[in-house]
Amino acid sequence: GAVVSQHPSWVICKSGTSVKIECRSLDFQATTMFWYRQFPKQSLMLMATSNEGSKATYEQGVEKDKFLINHASLTLSTLTVTSAHPEDSSFYICSAPEVAAGDTQYFGPGTRLTVL
Amino acid sequence: RKEVEQDPGPFNVPEGATVAFNCTYSNSASQSFFWYRQDCRKEPKLLMSVYSSGNEDGRFTAQLNRASQYISLLIRDSKLSDSATYLCVVKSNDYKLSFGAGTTVTVRA
Repeated sequence: GAVVSQHPSWVICKSGTSVKIECRSLDFQATTMFWYRQFPKQSLMLMATSNEGSKATYEQGVEKDKFLINHASLTLSTLTVTSAHPEDSSFYICSAPEVAAGDTQYFGPGTRLTVL
Repeated sequence: RKEVEQDPGPFNVPEGATVAFNCTYSNSASQSFFWYRQDCRKEPKLLMSVYSSGNEDGRFTAQLNRASQYISLLIRDSKLSDSATYLCVVKSNDYKLSFGAGTTVTVRA
């Protein structure tokens, strides 16, 4: 099946710093990618829809100025957590639908962010 | 009300047992339905799609009841490797996926 990669797989940072997470579709093009966040023992929550060449669409309650999304190419979307705080510590996962596979969503392996 | 609700479990079953659980969804216009499996600290992986007529994939059987807006998953002849969290996932017509909180299954030897 198609592969989606994320980098880094884990990151620890100090409060107030910004962290960039990359999501890449490795063998297919994705005009749309999704960013999720998952807190321990909770469900994945959709944060935003990343659209290639246009602005991301954010879910209600997600601050667009805090979670900056850039989808600059058909295979890369980035999520930047700006001025991270301990409450932003979470598991961030991206996904991308592959049109050729009937829009099956493929998930990246996730990025575990810990903000001290 | 959550878009997708699941019994969180946990379901603790012996090897070889059958285990079944459901989820319900609130959006009657939902288009597609899936069961994903998530292991601890890993990304979700597609287990199977769910079709209106019901479908099987080996030891796994999924059912969809659109009228009642619920989806079920049945695992026969449970294996130790089936221990995981099973996520009920519903897709709207704009690719967005809504996830249930997951049902934890633990298969013991």
